Amino acid sequence: RKEVEQDPGPFNVPEGATVAFNCTYSNSASQSFFWYRQDCRKEPKLLMSVYSSGNEDGRFTAQLNRASQYISLLIRDSKLSDSATYLCVVNINLRKTSYDKVIFGPGTSLSVIP
Amino acid sequence: DAGITQSPRHKVTETGTPVTLRCHQTENHRYMYWYRQDPGHGLRLIHYSYGVKDTDKGEVSDGYSVSRSKTEDFLLTLESATSSQTSVYFCATRRGGTDTQYFGPGTRLTVL
Repeated sequence: RKEVEQDPGPFNVPEGATVAFNCTYSNSASQSFFWYRQDCRKEPKLLMSVYSSGNEDGRFTAQLNRASQYISLLIRDSKLSDSATYLCVVNINLRKTSYDKVIFGPGTSLSVIP
Repeated sequence: DAGITQSPRHKVTETGTPVTLRCHQTENHRYMYWYRQDPGHGLRLIHYSYGVKDTDKGEVSDGYSVSRSKTEDFLLTLESATSSQTSVYFCATRRGGTDTQYFGPGTRLTVL
């Protein structure tokens, strides 16, 4: 089983739609969680961190369920500019001094259609 | 943006030749990483550094070496390039005490 798994996608949605991405992780020692966005042929960029209490940034809402080892990202009122690949990222702190193991999910592709 | 540049941005080389990719950052971040990204595999860690001259292997380190003689520069070397090393290579940095990684623009390497 992969350490971080995401919906296979691709997701093709019309403008204005609400779309949800799911991510599961296998290591219960995972400590911090993120969603990154990657545009075609570009580098990944941080979209938002994910907290146990849930967090919202405009049209984007992220949720974390530690008991189920599950992370979600909800995008409301989709825009054409939201078309990208969304990467689920999990940090596992293995040693306090130097290294956090960072695991990137394979990504889910989103295309927002006019 | 964390002021990360990568050079070269594109490179085509032949099997068996040595290749060095450079990552340069201006933010004085302690941690630096080299990843490769391939279809179906996502981002995979090659090597990382947690300080000047302090480096360690990631999950796909075979065939690669790294060096960090200055805080701002992290070099990735393919001693003898193979076609399986054709990929997009991303450098990333992270400030100590934080979790967020910042990525460079990537280098597209083709090994013929």
